[in-house]
Amino acid sequence: EAGVTQFPSHSVIEKGQTVTLRCDPISGHDNLYWYRRVMGKEIKFLLHFVKESKQDESGMPNNRFLAERTGGTYSTLKVQPAELEDSGVYFCASSPLGRSGNTIYFGEGSWLTVV
Amino acid sequence: QQQVKQSPQSLIVQKGGISIINCAYENTAFDYFPWYQQFPGKGPALLIAIRPDVSEKKEGRFTISFNKSAKQFSLHIMDSQPGDSATYFCAANFGNEKLTFGTGTRLTIIP
Repeated sequence: EAGVTQFPSHSVIEKGQTVTLRCDPISGHDNLYWYRRVMGKEIKFLLHFVKESKQDESGMPNNRFLAERTGGTYSTLKVQPAELEDSGVYFCASSPLGRSGNTIYFGEGSWLTVV
Repeated sequence: QQQVKQSPQSLIVQKGGISIINCAYENTAFDYFPWYQQFPGKGPALLIAIRPDVSEKKEGRFTISFNKSAKQFSLHIMDSQPGDSATYFCAANFGNEKLTFGTGTRLTIIP
């Protein structure tokens, strides 16, 4: 069974440019999460989809970040325009709906460098 | 506000020794406490998890100790091996809600 896949794995862009990160969750997983880890700090929550609906977007830093989940399948996270402080690794994770404690599976991350 | 506090930030342990990483949480609604292991260039992978209705869970060389009254939990790695060198994150959540992570511990096992 394929795990959570993310694309691109690495991206270097200039300040002011746009970057779109894609996440394909594990098939059948209705929960999809985006997290970010910046400069060796903690892994911070960005937002949570349940199917195609945004369940919680309290962690989105500002309106330069836009996340979508088309048809409840894959998700994209767009940063426009990118700023230097957006550099970090963006993790996507997924889990099935259901009882508390379902394992949340992480992708390998998209490493973003803004220069 | 850091809801899950993790220590130490880095840890060096001799091969065969015991590695201990501690976490403390604030939100009493949390009912699931996983530990994730992350190798360089990889995503976090679930290592072991515990619910607050038990005080200890053991899987192989890895043990979680949980103290509900103190709102603390810890990871013990027995007989630590060089292959255990990684960054370890504690986390907590409830239901299908987001995971709240600690700041991570970089563990290095030396020969």
